[in-house]
Amino acid sequence: DQQVKQNSPSLSVQEGRISILNCDYTNSMFDYFLWYKKYPAEGPTFLISISSIKDKNEDGRFTVFLNKSAKHLSLHIVPSQPGDSAVYFCALMNYGGSQGNLIFGKGTKLSVKP
Amino acid sequence: NAGVTQTPKFQVLKTGQSMTLQCAQDMNHNSMYWYRQDPGMGLRLIYYSASEGTTDKGEVPNGYNVSRLNKREFSLRLESAAPSQTSVYFCASSVYRGNTEAFFGQGTRLTVV
Repeated sequence: DQQVKQNSPSLSVQEGRISILNCDYTNSMFDYFLWYKKYPAEGPTFLISISSIKDKNEDGRFTVFLNKSAKHLSLHIVPSQPGDSAVYFCALMNYGGSQGNLIFGKGTKLSVKP
Repeated sequence: NAGVTQTPKFQVLKTGQSMTLQCAQDMNHNSMYWYRQDPGMGLRLIYYSASEGTTDKGEVPNGYNVSRLNKREFSLRLESAAPSQTSVYFCASSVYRGNTEAFFGQGTRLTVV
């Protein structure tokens, strides 16, 4: 069973508008949540993270929201830029627990159109 | 800074051949990882090394072996390549296992024919 689900394989957004990427999880033991960005032919790069003690973390144009009761994580990009076009992976871990490794979703391909 | 370096970047193997993927990091990280990425499957953990001298299986270890040669280097070996091992392989490292951020190499695209 998938522990981490990104149900939208792709998302297309107009430049300047908001991009919202979603991630759902099943295991309530996860306590650290990350977003990675991946361009073609490159490795994933860390974007932003949030711990389970918070419900929001902001870094410039990127904001991550965590709803623990719903087991739902989202990434908001405002305003979206063409350079944001990439595949975005959510990654979860149980910090210090049995799942101290990152578990990745399948990714959402974001296309930002000029 | 080089970060995490993987070699080779591309490789084509025939079924049954063996090869070793090399990975080195220069960030003095304790933990290292090997992932594979297949279309529509995200990244799946093959093996990891929480610290120098230790290795453990991840989600998809069958058909692979690893060696943590020293703190910097973590290699992945395919003893008898199969077409199902056609994938993009990523090495990553982190300060320690359970550390929130892992740094990735650029990947090795492997095709087994």
